[in-house]
Amino acid sequence: DTAVSQTPKYLVTQMGNDKSIKCEQNLGHDTMYWYKQDSKKFLKIMFSYNNKELIINETVPNRFSPKSPDKAHLNLHINSLELGDSAVYFCASSLSTGELFFGEGSRLTVL
Amino acid sequence: DAKTTQPPSMDCAEGRAANLPCNHSTISGNEYVYWYRQIHSQGPQYIIHGLKNNETNEMASLIITEDRKSSTLILPHATLRDTAVYYCIVRGTIAGNMLTFGGGTRLMVKP
Repeated sequence: DTAVSQTPKYLVTQMGNDKSIKCEQNLGHDTMYWYKQDSKKFLKIMFSYNNKELIINETVPNRFSPKSPDKAHLNLHINSLELGDSAVYFCASSLSTGELFFGEGSRLTVL
Repeated sequence: DAKTTQPPSMDCAEGRAANLPCNHSTISGNEYVYWYRQIHSQGPQYIIHGLKNNETNEMASLIITEDRKSSTLILPHATLRDTAVYYCIVRGTIAGNMLTFGGGTRLMVKP
């Protein structure tokens, strides 16, 4: 069973559309994260949730809205997509300060 | 979190030890040194972490200098599958504390 799973793996869409990426972890972790990796391959933290509560928001535009319905899920909804949103988005989870387990990534292409 | 400095790239012959250096001269007393790697098109993968003492697991060894200002990740017998970008990260212990990725070292293992 995949520990951290993201869907979809690939997403191609037009500018201005709204899209969601889902993330689920079956590790029993209490903290989940979203990272963005752009074309230059830098990995940047976007959000962190601990026990369904937002604890880190790294100045991400409010077009990005994470939602955590329970500790095992952290979904990312993006409104009014822009060209600069094209990237690979990685979900991760951990036990508070433990090591992070990453998903395989969701490649978003905005045309 | 303290910043780290790594060489942008390194080569290693297959079967030989790969020694990846990392400088973290501003590390504070409660910060751990973590190593992750990212194989092409995959999510980052945890390798090892340590505080003061040297650590070893099935993947690698971590050697931390006595003053904790630098460390070396050792892959004892590198294989072609170890070709990846290796990230050295200094991380505190606050709940939900995120990992801040730098540029990493691109290790190329050659036959």
